[in-house]
Amino acid sequence: EPEVTQTPSHQVTQMGQEVILRCVPISNHLYFYWYRQILGQKVEFLVSFYNNEISEKSEIFDDQFSVERPDGSNFTLKIRSTKLEDSAMYFCATLLAGAVNTGELFFGEGSRLTVL
Amino acid sequence: SQQGEEDPQALSIQEGENATMNCSYKTSINNLQWYRQNSGRGLVHLILIRSNEREKHSGRLRVTLDTSKKSSSLLITASRAADTASYFCATDFGPGGYNKLIFGAGTRLAVHP
Repeated sequence: EPEVTQTPSHQVTQMGQEVILRCVPISNHLYFYWYRQILGQKVEFLVSFYNNEISEKSEIFDDQFSVERPDGSNFTLKIRSTKLEDSAMYFCATLLAGAVNTGELFFGEGSRLTVL
Repeated sequence: SQQGEEDPQALSIQEGENATMNCSYKTSINNLQWYRQNSGRGLVHLILIRSNEREKHSGRLRVTLDTSKKSSSLLITASRAADTASYFCATDFGPGGYNKLIFGAGTRLAVHP
């Protein structure tokens, strides 16, 4: 079964460092998302991305965050200067083209970010 | 806010029993989805019910949606130890919302052999 692949599975970084989380979407999926889950809390929407641009972003997704799809395959989330409160599990999700508002999101296994 | 809220927060049952989890939300939705998460793992989509549907079945899962009460329930019949996980409802409400899902806090289900 096709799956969304995320790397790294776990990253430990020092406060103030830049972090890049990577996602390989399911092929022919054209809508991409990042969600995060702070330990023990809700899954929160960060950003949606379609046609090489951000469709929507939440209040969490401030200037420290950016997304891109540099090579037409990987979908990345960059945090420029990490803060302690960025420690969370980050999930990439993708959606089949044509399934907006009617389809299921396919989630990756997540990248756990620990900021020290 | 548009958040879905589940209850109970935690549910402990014996294998073979049925498990019912409820979800409430605040504004009109396009659809409501249920996801499952094993500890430390990713989210797995279970079932989607559209705003014009009232009930949906998938295997041992039964989902109902009451848009007048802005609530949904997930029933797992004949539960198994492998059903132990957290279950989340997620609402998709925006026009052209690009599936910006708003998740509830989840119900932690423990099924004992």
